[in-house]
Amino acid sequence: GENVGLHLPTLSVQEGDNSIINCAYSNSASDYFIWYKQESGKGPQFIIDIRSNMDKRQGQRVTVLLNKTVKHLSLQIAATQPGDSAVYFCAETITGFQKLVFGTGTRLLVSP
Amino acid sequence: DTGVSQDPRHKITKRGQNVTFRCDPISEHNRLYWYRQTLGQGPEFLTYFQNEAQLEKSRLLSDRFSAERPKGSFSTLEIQRTEQGDSAMYLCASSRGEGNQPQHFGDGTRLSIL
Repeated sequence: GENVGLHLPTLSVQEGDNSIINCAYSNSASDYFIWYKQESGKGPQFIIDIRSNMDKRQGQRVTVLLNKTVKHLSLQIAATQPGDSAVYFCAETITGFQKLVFGTGTRLLVSP
Repeated sequence: DTGVSQDPRHKITKRGQNVTFRCDPISEHNRLYWYRQTLGQGPEFLTYFQNEAQLEKSRLLSDRFSAERPKGSFSTLEIQRTEQGDSAMYLCASSRGEGNQPQHFGDGTRLSIL
């Protein structure tokens, strides 16, 4: 929604750089993870998902890495563009349970 | 491809009034979810429907909140006797019903309680 990202961790990068956004998830039983992008005034937008039987998945300009040992997710954005500026959330869930649990969120600021 | 649609986008009301929000999911999605988001936080789960059946409710969903999905298509979320603490963005999401599927969100209804 509006003003999403108040007091959130912020990552500032230059246009063209690669960005890495990190997330520590909370439940070791979680087996399905999603990254969302949220722009001001809008709802979360699906970027990419990964299941726990994988440790890496690639999309268009994005890669998600999963390390179950330390309960860590990362989102890598290649050649970051000003349009990538937003708040990014990771979300976790357990198969059979429909509730998504969202992480704190990271604000990405991309300078031209 | 029509996404998740929510109405209204903004609602301003006085404390104590009742409000109702509507969500139209993506047409082939049989799962529908409601979340609440406050400033600087991620969305928090409220409730979930599989077709017309409400299968899970969060403890956040007090007795003043009720959600329905009467025909398994659109859903409504009603808040009775609104309180200041109800001010938030109310988000609806939908997904397909098989296994793990990504939830796709609408742009929410922003509720402001005067």
